[in-house]
Amino acid sequence: EVQLVESGGGLVQPGTSLKLSCVASGFTFSDSWMSWVRQTPGKTMEWIGDIKYDGSYTNYAPSLKNRFTISRDNAKSTLYLQMSNVRSEDTATYFCTRTHGFNYFDYWGQGVMVTVSS
Amino acid sequence: DVQMTQSPSNLAASPGESVSINCKARKSISKYLAWYQQKPGKVNKLLIYSGSTLQSGTPSRFSGSGSGTDFTLTIRNLEPEDFGLYYCQQHNEYPLTFGSGTKLEIK
Repeated sequence: EVQLVESGGGLVQPGTSLKLSCVASGFTFSDSWMSWVRQTPGKTMEWIGDIKYDGSYTNYAPSLKNRFTISRDNAKSTLYLQMSNVRSEDTATYFCTRTHGFNYFDYWGQGVMVTVSS
Repeated sequence: DVQMTQSPSNLAASPGESVSINCKARKSISKYLAWYQQKPGKVNKLLIYSGSTLQSGTPSRFSGSGSGTDFTLTIRNLEPEDFGLYYCQQHNEYPLTFGSGTKLEIK
């Protein structure tokens, strides 16, 4: 059974940094592109970016690429999202997804909430 | 970015009825559109990709159609478990983009 389990969310102050993690199981993580997607409290869904199976290449949403960094550790089957200089508009539920080669998301985690507030 | 316009925002229907949800891309995305279902307490589920291909496990009462800029998700003979939030997503080009969602409720 495929499982994606996110962690690391919580309440953070504006301007600080936060790192989310996603532990994968039930499939060959090191063969899979992975993405982060977020959903705002208003239910808007936004793709953040993705990372190639070997970690050698990443793509980002243009509005986020200067503050967010996606990485992975295939030995630990773990995907990461480093968020820096967070803003109130980053308040959202963050989902880890497995990305099919044709850029759709065939498996999702349950999501982790991030609230940015002072 | 390819803006995706999804309609309606809200939809109410009864079990056994059929409904359609529309998704319009600002420019052609060929056939590359996916549909997802979101329900409280459950992980999001991929229903359809490449416009009309059912993901393994998706019931046959779900169907997708369209190409270019206009796409439709049709659910026939609604079951109680079909109620939830539905999103379209273009997977033709970066950055990948989603529609605004359609909430399907029980009438």
